[in-house]
Amino acid sequence: DAKTTQPPSMDCAEGRAANLPCNHSTISGNEYVYWYRQIHSQGPQYIIHGLKNNETNEMASLIITEDRKSSTLILPHATLRDTAVYYCVPSNTGKLIFGQGTTLQVKP
Amino acid sequence: SAVISQKPSRDICQRGTSLTIQCQVDSQVTMMFWYRQQPGQSLTLIATANQGSEATYESGFVIDKFPISRPNLTFSTLTVSNMSPEDSSIYLCSVGGRLSYEQYFGPGTRLTVT
Repeated sequence: DAKTTQPPSMDCAEGRAANLPCNHSTISGNEYVYWYRQIHSQGPQYIIHGLKNNETNEMASLIITEDRKSSTLILPHATLRDTAVYYCVPSNTGKLIFGQGTTLQVKP
Repeated sequence: SAVISQKPSRDICQRGTSLTIQCQVDSQVTMMFWYRQQPGQSLTLIATANQGSEATYESGFVIDKFPISRPNLTFSTLTVSNMSPEDSSIYLCSVGGRLSYEQYFGPGTRLTVT
C-alpha cells in the first residue's frame, strides 16, 4: 500500500479556492488516488478519484502530476461547510488505508 | 451512492462485556468494510466482509475479538468482544460503490467502555 504525506493543517478564506496537496511517491501503476473528507462527528464522505487524468465533479477537481507521485484536490469556492479533515488514499483493491489527513479550516 | 445506517449510534458498556454493531444498506453490495477510529486518530481498517466468505482481517485484528457476520448482501454485524477501555472508539462500516472502488460510510457507532 502506498504511503501518503499531507500537511497536517491548512487555512482558507471563505469563497477562495482551497488547494490540498498530497504526496504519494510510492504509488503503484494501477492504484487510483481517492479523496475523502470527514466532517466532525460524521462518517467519511467520498469526494473524487482519479488514475492518471485530471478529474472534476460537482464537488471538486483533482489534479494528478504526470509522474503520479503527487496530487492536489481543489475546492474551487470554499465555504464554511467545507471545514473538515481531508484524506488522500491510494488504492486498487477497495481497501482504504487512511493516513492522518489535512485539517482544512475555512474562515469567514 | 448507498444509504447506510448503523445501530446503535452510541453506547456505554462495561469492561468484559460484548457489543454487536449492525450495519444496514439500502441496496445490495458485494464489498463491506469495518473501520475503527480511536479518539483523535484517523480511521483504521479492521476487516473486509464479503458475502459468502469469511471476513478478512487486517494485521492487529483477530476474529475472536472482532467476529463479523455477513448473512446477505445488505447487512453485516461487527461484535466487539470482551471489551476494555482501549476499545473506546467510533466504529464505522462502509460499502463499495457500484462502478469503482469508492466507498460510502455509515454514520458510525460511538462506543465508550468504562
